[in-house]
Amino acid sequence: GEQVEQRPPHLSVREGDSAFIICTYTDSATAYFYWYKQEPGAGLQLLMSVFSNVDRKEEQGLTVLLNKKDKRLSLNLTAAHPGDSAVYFCAVAMATGGNNKLTFGQGTVLSVIP
Amino acid sequence: EAAVTQSPRNKVTVTGGNVTLSCRQTNSHNYMYWYRQDTGHGLRLIHYSYGAGNLQIGDVPDGYKATRTTQEDFFLLLELASPSQTSLYFCASKQGRNYAEQFFGPGTRLTVL
Repeated sequence: GEQVEQRPPHLSVREGDSAFIICTYTDSATAYFYWYKQEPGAGLQLLMSVFSNVDRKEEQGLTVLLNKKDKRLSLNLTAAHPGDSAVYFCAVAMATGGNNKLTFGQGTVLSVIP
Repeated sequence: EAAVTQSPRNKVTVTGGNVTLSCRQTNSHNYMYWYRQDTGHGLRLIHYSYGAGNLQIGDVPDGYKATRTTQEDFFLLLELASPSQTSLYFCASKQGRNYAEQFFGPGTRLTVL
């Protein structure tokens, strides 16, 4: 089945710097891609979703890149601030059967130092 | 926005104990999910359902049962809890159409002593 690897497991950046997280996946039939944010004591909140016909998406200081050839998905937070400190997860789903079953990466604990 | 609630928020039980975790969603979503979250593993799918009375096996189902009694309610059952089931459990729901996102509950922290 699908395998998703997420790096790095921990990331510490200074306020105003960029934070870069990467996920690789194994199945070329993967078609749906998500980034979630989890704040302490809370559930997961969707940050951004992209689908296989999109290579790049930018929203509100976040940039998602999708490289289907290399099976790689990345998230870049530009100008990070302390409120961005959280755990970030990538998640992917296959094209067959819609996007009803997600496979998650292991998570990245991001700390933004003021 | 979709509302997904879970109860209890925290639960402590002993090895061999019987535990039921509850999830309710109020937006008539077709799909509901149970995940466990463990450090180094991310979220792993235990069971899911696409409607009342339906149950689908996830990726880590051993030791868990689930039941979807209504469109709104999805329960996770641990009939003989073990310390390896100590974890943070999340419920999620989703509409049945493509591209729809999953909405997550706040989580239940279960400790099995």
